[in-house]
Amino acid sequence: NAGVTQTPKFRVLKTGQSMTLLCAQDMNHEYMYWYRQDPGMGLRLIHYSVGEGTTAKGEVPDGYNVSRLKKQNFLLGLESAAPSQTSVYFCASSTPLAGTGGIGELFFGEGSRLTVL
Amino acid sequence: KNQVEQSPQSLIILEGKNCTLQCNYTVSPFSNLRWYKQDTGRGPVSLTIMTFSENTKSNGRYTATLDADTKQSSLHITASQLSDSASYICVVSASTGGSYIPTFGRGTSLIVHP
Repeated sequence: NAGVTQTPKFRVLKTGQSMTLLCAQDMNHEYMYWYRQDPGMGLRLIHYSVGEGTTAKGEVPDGYNVSRLKKQNFLLGLESAAPSQTSVYFCASSTPLAGTGGIGELFFGEGSRLTVL
Repeated sequence: KNQVEQSPQSLIILEGKNCTLQCNYTVSPFSNLRWYKQDTGRGPVSLTIMTFSENTKSNGRYTATLDADTKQSSLHITASQLSDSASYICVVSASTGGSYIPTFGRGTSLIVHP
């Protein structure tokens, strides 16, 4: 059982280049999230999805786009990378928590470290 | 606005000692609160979940408490080990109104020295 898998794990880009981060989960989870983590800032939500074919903006969505064409995959795209997007990106998935109205445990990938020069 | 505040921001203790981490939240209406452990270079992993009706829950040397009236939670680590060195993140989920977006604290960085 792989859980949540992110690819690639490391990437170096030049300013203006584009790339896509792939997140795949094999737990049949409805909810998927993309976060970025910077020193001293904690995890900040970029975009999220509550189901196949649906996406929504989080706290810091500018400069990023996402797609969820299949339930198990959530893609994060950078159309024109900027040095400010140098960060560690984490994908997570979860389900509704029965009986409470909230969400269940978040399962995170191992992270993708992106450097933009 | 839903917020989660954690203290201290960082903590250094000697191996074998106990410590307590704090989490205050304003998330409403409350559904559940989780503590996550994040090792350096890894993704966070859930340690424990607290729902409205629970006051205390233990997971090995980790004990979490919840006071829903004061909206405070604590994570107590007993007999610390070097492997406890990590960031501990408090995450609170609401029961309605965007319940699928949990609110994260910035974490407490714990360093355990031999």
